[in-house]
Amino acid sequence: AQTVTQSQPEMSVQEAETVTLSCTYDTSENNYYLFWYKQPPSRQMILVIRQEAYKQQNATENRFSVNFQKAAKSFSLKISDSQLGDTAMYFCAFMNAGGTSYGKLTFGQGTILTVHP
Amino acid sequence: EPEVTQTPSHQVTQMGQEVILRCVPISNHLYFYWYRQILGQKVEFLVSFYNNEISEKSEIFDDQFSVERPDGSNFTLKIRSTKLEDSAMYFCASTRQRSTDTQYFGPGTRLTVL
Repeated sequence: AQTVTQSQPEMSVQEAETVTLSCTYDTSENNYYLFWYKQPPSRQMILVIRQEAYKQQNATENRFSVNFQKAAKSFSLKISDSQLGDTAMYFCAFMNAGGTSYGKLTFGQGTILTVHP
Repeated sequence: EPEVTQTPSHQVTQMGQEVILRCVPISNHLYFYWYRQILGQKVEFLVSFYNNEISEKSEIFDDQFSVERPDGSNFTLKIRSTKLEDSAMYFCASTRQRSTDTQYFGPGTRLTVL
């Protein structure tokens, strides 16, 4: 079974600065996907970024980028130029892409990020 | 932009009662999911559904739970006899064509069991 661990329960950052959220995972699979989802106070889960394990290049979406280290099973999220609207709970998630996968997402415990003005 | 919708936003029920949580996935999506999040805890997978049958379910998804796609648009989660520990936020999600496509989540239904 896969596990996802987020070791930082809470983080804070000043507006316009950069912050990195950590995530590690454990799997015996070779083909999988990793995600970061954002959950603002409204509670809706919003996709931030997605990484395919077979791609060596780190995914980037505007101010959001990841550092994917497959050998270390590490998948951190970097938020540049933090904005007040980035305040939310951030979840790291794993999805097996193998033949028996039906899209089950396994989530980490979440990191509460607060952006201060 | 199309969205996944869920109703009601908040459901309060008495222990032992049946509840049905409703979801309308994005119209051309083929795979459907339910997750739950007990307050302060991680999001947990319940069930995946494709081609009118369950593809995968978790240990949480016992005989008290069932899912159905009664028509071409709705996707429902039924809890037959609610327990206090069923109190949680329930999220529906859908993906477009493949199970490994990105999942789009609805806003959730908060279920409170008294």
